[in-house]
Parts: sequence; structure tokens; C-alpha cells
Amino acid sequence: QSVLTQPPSASGTPGQRVTISCSGSSSNIGSNFVYWYQQLPGTAPKLLIYKNNQRPSGVPDRFSGSKSGTSASLAISGLRSEDEADYYCATWDDSLSSYVFGIGTKVTVL
Amino acid sequence: EVQLVESGGGLVKPGGSLRLSCAASGFPFNTYSMNWVRQAPGKGLEWVSTISSSSTKIYYADSVKGRFTISRDDAKTSLFLQIHSLRAEDTAVYYCARGGILTGYPTTWGQGTLVTVSS
Repeated sequence: QSVLTQPPSASGTPGQRVTISCSGSSSNIGSNFVYWYQQLPGTAPKLLIYKNNQRPSGVPDRFSGSKSGTSASLAISGLRSEDEADYYCATWDDSLSSYVFGIGTKVTVL
Repeated sequence: EVQLVESGGGLVKPGGSLRLSCAASGFPFNTYSMNWVRQAPGKGLEWVSTISSSSTKIYYADSVKGRFTISRDDAKTSLFLQIHSLRAEDTAVYYCARGGILTGYPTTWGQGTLVTVSS
């Protein structure tokens, strides 16, 4: 269990848009940045989005992040087979004084 | 190029101890916070600990507080995690991850080192 709620799975066909939600509270998402990570099978996580909606260099603009209140979301547009991976949201929790991750969302390209 | 290489993992008996290391290169190590994040087999990511630059701020997850100690050697550009009183639930891949200059959020990750706790 996590203080951040993510759907365990999401799917779409190639070219579709997929959105992954990350819901928290005022002590975490509501007052801190949200980061998103992509973990391809058998590999280490990779930073996908930082500070809610910023993309590191090299991350395709098909990936976008947003935050509103105590929720955040990651959108993948123009879904591709290589996007099949686990996606995690993360933020700092002021009450716990710790970083927290969502449970992860497995994205399947049908 | 930023490189983070973890080492020190292995098979340990319950109650045992281990020291994980992370050799960093390709960036001014002393100005960045550093993290340990773990992932149990088939499970999600779990943040373990963060140490700020100059070791002025250190944070631990409740699940490891009192048993794990994070430290850094800026002269050797290395990060460490001393683990005591190991439990079966500590079995995981342990990732070293660079934070930021002003925040500790993990950004660049190493490939991880596997710790297995079993009798």
C-alpha cells in the first residue's frame, strides 16, 4: 500500500493516448513536486518527468505530466510498443518526512 | 556522463549485516544529494534513505529506521548504506540514485545490487 494511489494497470493500442493518475493528499502532492519514472522490464528506473511537468533532455514530448491540487497525471500520446513498462509517481510527504512512490502502473500496448 | 555503480549485495542470513557501496562519477558529487531506493522481487519501488550534500540532512523510511545507516565520502565520490539486523523483507534490488542540488528527488539511477536475506 502507498499514500499515493495509482491504477495497477493501463492499456491502449498503438497511437492511442493513455493517461495514468496519481492521487495523494495535501501533505504530499498538494504541497510538493511530483516526479514520474519509467521502468522497462529488467532495467533500472529512468526519470521521465520532474517538477510536475518538466521533461529531461532525451525524453520524447509524447510524455507529459500535470498536477492539480492533490492529484497528478502522466499522459502518453501516440502510444508505441516500446512504451510498455511500469510507471511510478513519486513525491515528498511533509507528514512522513519521506519520499513516497505510487504502487506503479503497468502499461500494456495491445 | 553520470555513472552510478552499486556493489556489496549478496546472500545474507537473517540478522546479518551488509554494507552497500555506490561509486559515482561524471558530476560534482559533493554538491548533490543522494538516495537509496529498493525494489523487492516483483514489487514496486520503495524509497529507503536520502542524504543531502555535506551530510547535513539525512532521512530514512520508517521501515528501515534504526537498522540502516546512510553515509557518503565526498573525497571518494561514494555513497554507502550500512544495513544491520537484516530481515527476509529486506530482500530487494537496492538502487543508488542521484538527487538534485536543491532537492533530493531521485533523478539518475544506478543498475542496482541484489540483497537476498535467507537462511
